[in-house]
Amino acid sequence: AQKITQTQPGMFVQEKEAVTLDCTYDTSDPSYGLFWYKQPSSGEMIFLIYQGSYDQQNATEGRYSLNFQKARKSANLVISASQLGDSAMYFCAMRAIQGAQKLVFGQGTRLTINP
Amino acid sequence: DGGITQSPKYLFRKEGQNVTLSCEQNLNHDAMYWYRQDPGQGLRLIYYSQIVNDFQKGDIAEGYSVSREKKESFPLTVTSAQKNPTAFYLCASSPLGQGNDEQYFGPGTRLTVT
Repeated sequence: AQKITQTQPGMFVQEKEAVTLDCTYDTSDPSYGLFWYKQPSSGEMIFLIYQGSYDQQNATEGRYSLNFQKARKSANLVISASQLGDSAMYFCAMRAIQGAQKLVFGQGTRLTINP
Repeated sequence: DGGITQSPKYLFRKEGQNVTLSCEQNLNHDAMYWYRQDPGQGLRLIYYSQIVNDFQKGDIAEGYSVSREKKESFPLTVTSAQKNPTAFYLCASSPLGQGNDEQYFGPGTRLTVT
């Protein structure tokens, strides 16, 4: 079975600072993918970034980067130069590459950016 | 524009009534999913379908039913057997075959049962 753990229920950061959101995972699948989604107060889920378990390099997408440490089973999201619009819930999720491609989500971290 | 539509955005029902939530996608995706989200919690998988006329139970399927008669549609029925139906329901879709494909989410339906 797959499991995602996000240990930070809430984070408060000053605008323009960088922030790291923690995510650890557990799986017996040999290959898998890790995702981060943002959920603003409106409720929609916005895809941010993807990391494959066999990718040699850490994924980056604009201000988002993923600090992937396979041996530690961690996939932390780093947001550089935070903005007020980054305030939202952030979810880490994983999916096996083979078989049923269903996502397993963590509990989420509520990020608040202060001006 | 391509995307996923869910209607209505807010739904109110009396206890004991069945209610059907709609989900339509025009992305030509094979796979579709239904998730439930409770306040302050992550998403939990209710049902998913990888092909028309076929679907599988997720982690919390009890009290729910689905159908997949058309590729673009995956309605979810919340039956009176669901003990705590009040929640935020999200529908998603994705292509099949590539593990790195993201799931695209609809805007969600907030169901309140009193």
